[in-house]
Amino acid sequence: DAGVTQSPTHLIKTRGQHVTLRCSPISGHKSVSWYQQVLGQGPQFIFQYYEKEERGRGNFPDRFSARQFPNYSSELNVNALLLGDSALYLCASSRDRGRRDSGELFFGEGSRLTVL
Amino acid sequence: AQRVTQPEKLLSVFKGAPVELKCNYSYSGSPELFWYVQYSRQRLQLLLRHISRESIKGFTADLNKGETSFHLKKPFAQEEDSAMYYCALANAGGTSYGKLTFGQGTILTVHP
Repeated sequence: DAGVTQSPTHLIKTRGQHVTLRCSPISGHKSVSWYQQVLGQGPQFIFQYYEKEERGRGNFPDRFSARQFPNYSSELNVNALLLGDSALYLCASSRDRGRRDSGELFFGEGSRLTVL
Repeated sequence: AQRVTQPEKLLSVFKGAPVELKCNYSYSGSPELFWYVQYSRQRLQLLLRHISRESIKGFTADLNKGETSFHLKKPFAQEEDSAMYYCALANAGGTSYGKLTFGQGTILTVHP
């Protein structure tokens, strides 16, 4: 298993554009979470999806949206990009929804977004 | 609101010396705490979690609810321990499973 895979690995956009980031979880994992990591800071929670339903949302504007597909892969969409959206976007998957497993996340390598 | 604080951005020690990475948290409920590690050119990965009460790669961490701390310790640091370490808090309430609140991270450098 290749682990959590994300695409693209790097991308450059200009202000006002839209971006779609993709994530494939580890086989058998039904939960996908998205994090934003700005340079010099820890990852910040954006969304979590489980069985195609949103199960958690962080403190991000409505320009950020996501969805999960029947095969459990996920997309993160960001509209009307701002300079401050430049960051590494991490996807993480986990197997169970159970409370004791909520912290064992498996991370992808991330998609580095630069907004000019 | 929940928060995780790692007061040291950088920590340098020599091989064989003890190391302690500090983590303090604020959370109104019953916390679940974790340490994640990112080695050079590798993915972020779980190192240990407090409910396991186990030692991983010689590291241990004890949850101190009185001091709201979850410091990571190792008695004898090795060069391969050099990495970025993140303390994280699980949202154990509501329906937001899979959400972690991370600290800012501590870069540990172990010199030969």
